[in-house]
Amino acid sequence: DADVTQTPRNRITKTGKRIMLECSQTKGHDRMYWYRQDPGLGLRLIYYSFDVKDINKGEISDGYSVSRQAQAKFSLSLESAIPNQTALYFCATSDQTGGVDTQYFGPGTRLTVL
Amino acid sequence: GIQVEQSPPDLILQEGANSTLRCNFSDSVNNLQWFHQNPWGQLINLFYIPSGTKQNGRLSATTVATERYSLLYISSSQTTDSGVYFCAALTSNDYKLSFGAGTTVTVRA
Repeated sequence: DADVTQTPRNRITKTGKRIMLECSQTKGHDRMYWYRQDPGLGLRLIYYSFDVKDINKGEISDGYSVSRQAQAKFSLSLESAIPNQTALYFCATSDQTGGVDTQYFGPGTRLTVL
Repeated sequence: GIQVEQSPPDLILQEGANSTLRCNFSDSVNNLQWFHQNPWGQLINLFYIPSGTKQNGRLSATTVATERYSLLYISSSQTTDSGVYFCAALTSNDYKLSFGAGTTVTVRA
């Protein structure tokens, strides 16, 4: 969905490097999420944020940190990248307008840690 | 958290065929969504369907909440339907969607 953008789209880095993945959205949603996808698996939640002052750990937050700089921006950092963090990373947004909480995903960032 | 299981894991179709994908979940849900991930990796929301039936073109979905399952129907399949279909669910006691492992659909011309 073009309303949710991620940068970079692809990144190759080395073990031990600090990496930041950025997500921006123009949908005006309060809720934002970071997921990772590994081959043959579904998506697993890393962190989520329901508003600018709210940050919550997901099921696999170890080795990651996040920053919610504004309603529209949510960044994911790998403080010291390791090879098993090689994956496809997705940012998503949602709101609860009308009681319907539908998630919209960015195009993904393919990260390779050597 | 809630467990979400999808079947079959893989499905190969001839163009024009119909198919049904199933999603079972382990608890009562207040949010059930179907997504399609195309071969380029993009995830598209297909349906928000915690209960009832919805249709969108050749796709339709039905969730029977009392029996804890949802079905996604693909009719007159086309090669552009290829990709991975994910089901994701959320209970009233949780704030995060739990995803199934997906069904990989390959439609052959």
